[in-house]
Parts: sequence; C-alpha cells; structure tokens
Amino acid sequence: TQLLEQSPQFLSIQEGENLTVYCNSSSVFSSLQWYRQEPGEGPVLLVTVVTGGEVKKLKRLTFQFGDARKDSSLHITAAQPGDTGLYLCAGGGSNYKLTFGKGTLLTVNP
Amino acid sequence: KAGVTQTPRYLIKTRGQQVTLSCSPISGHRSVSWYQQTPGQGLQFLFEYFSETQRNKGNFPGRFSGRQFSNSRSEMNVSTLELGDSALYLCASSLGQPSSGGYTFGSGTRLTVV
Repeated sequence: TQLLEQSPQFLSIQEGENLTVYCNSSSVFSSLQWYRQEPGEGPVLLVTVVTGGEVKKLKRLTFQFGDARKDSSLHITAAQPGDTGLYLCAGGGSNYKLTFGKGTLLTVNP
Repeated sequence: KAGVTQTPRYLIKTRGQQVTLSCSPISGHRSVSWYQQTPGQGLQFLFEYFSETQRNKGNFPGRFSGRQFSNSRSEMNVSTLELGDSALYLCASSLGQPSSGGYTFGSGTRLTVV
C-alpha cells in the first residue's frame, strides 16, 4: 500500500513569514501533485512535478520533487492571509489514481 | 470553460437508504475519478472511469458502485447507507493519461447519514 505522510499537520504563522510543508513516502511515484483546498470546496491543483530533482516556482511558492521521486516539499515565501487553506500532496502512478497525504492546514494571521 | 459540476451539493439521508451522486466533467475530459474525504482518513480513492470502463477501484465495500455514460458524465451509488458513509464526495476529471495528468475537482457533495 502506498502512503504519503505530510508534515506538519497544522501550521499557524504570521503574515510575512516563510514556511515549508513536507510530503514523504517509502514508495516511488511517477508524479507528485500539490493541491490547495478551501472549506466547502474541492482541491485546486497548484502544480505537478514529474522529474526527480525537479524544482518549480509559482510566484511565492516553490515546489521540489526529491531525486528518488519519493518525497516533495512546498515552500511559501512571505505568506499572506490568502494563502490560508489545506495543502494536500498527491502521488500519481500508472494505476489511474492519486494517493493523497492527509494534508497540512495552514493559517496565516494578518 | 465550465468546470466540474457535482450535484447535489448537500444531501441528508437515513441509515439503510441508498443515494446517487452525479458528476459532469470538463468538456473533452474522458476520465472521471471519485474520492471520499473524511476528517479522519483524508481523501481516499473510490474508482476511476474512462470511456465508460472502470480502470481502477479503491478498497471500499461493494455498497459503493459507479458508472460512466457515453457523454463522460458519471454517477456513483451507495446502497444501504451507514453512519460512517457521511463524508464529502469529490469527483475529479482529467484527460485520462496516467501519472502526469492534472486533475480538476468539483466542489463535492456533502453527504450526511443520520
């Protein structure tokens, strides 16, 4: 059974601080996706990384896929209240399904 | 373009009843996946359909079933509802290529079993 563990589970920070969320597995995934979910809504795709060692930057967000394609991290620079939400990592493979971590609930206080 | 549409948004059912949830994918997307989200277990994969064929099924009892129509719309059915079936049911559509395809999720159907 493939499992993804996210840490931390909860994170509460002040506006302007930096943070990193981690996603680790003992299994290899073909791709790693990050989603953000707001209360009462479905997850929204932020990024997909497919190559070991790949780094993608989207404005203040930096995503990294581990060399062995078993782990990933999400780094947010100068967090803003609008970044508040549940961040989910999900591993994809050739079996037409995503394996999700349980998420990191981020609260950015003004 | 229109997003993924799930209906209904909210549903309250009694134990023992059955329920049918609907999902209309993004136009041109032929893959529809279903996930159950609960506070304790997070998002868990139910099943995936592509061109009316189920390609994968998660570890859920046979009370959970689904199907996909020729227009790619999908339905899932839960029979003999249990209290533990209360959850947010999410549907996601994609082009269907494994591993690298991004998924677009609907807003979900919040099912409460009483």
